[in-house]
Amino acid sequence: GENVEQHPSTLSVQEGDSAVIKCTYSDSASNYFPWYKQELGKGPQLIIDIRSNVGEKKDQRIAVTLNKTAKHFSLHITETQPEDSAVYFCAAIRWGQNFVFGPGTRLSVLP
Amino acid sequence: EAGVAQSPRYKIIEKRQSVAFWCNPISGHATLYWYQQILGQGPKLLIQFQNNGVVDDSQLPKDRFSAERLKGVDSTLKIQPAKLEDSAVYLCASSSRGKGANTGELFFGEGSRLTVL
Repeated sequence: GENVEQHPSTLSVQEGDSAVIKCTYSDSASNYFPWYKQELGKGPQLIIDIRSNVGEKKDQRIAVTLNKTAKHFSLHITETQPEDSAVYFCAAIRWGQNFVFGPGTRLSVLP
Repeated sequence: EAGVAQSPRYKIIEKRQSVAFWCNPISGHATLYWYQQILGQGPKLLIQFQNNGVVDDSQLPKDRFSAERLKGVDSTLKIQPAKLEDSAVYLCASSSRGKGANTGELFFGEGSRLTVL
């Protein structure tokens, strides 16, 4: 089955700097890659997703890039703000299967 | 639009006791999921319902966990008897994804935190 790894497990950045979180997956048939943000005491919430026929997608300060050959995808957050502090999860899904989430990255944005 | 509702938010029990969690999904969402999230890990799927039928329960420890979705709306997850390793947050999610589809947003509730002593 699918195995998703995520790095780093913790990340601290200064407010205004950029943050990058990388995920690798094992199943070359996976074709949908969402990113979820989980704030303390809340459930995860979708922030951006990408499908395998697209190499990059942007939404304001966040972007996701996908390298199908290397089987990895990354979340990029620019101009980080304190409200970006949270745990971020990536997931990889193949058709007909369920989400397999990575172990998460705890992002701290320091003022 | 109301989100996914879960209760209770917190529960503390002794090992070997039983506990039940309730979930009310977003109105109209046919697919409902229960996930287990152990501290420091990503959510792990326990069971998926499509309307009131089970689609995937391959990772549900059936000797102690059970779940049902009555009338294709609310769902209950039960643990009996509980073990120390069941301490986790139990997340309910719903989606308008159809059976066999793999894209589409999962909408999560705030979770039920279980502590087993």
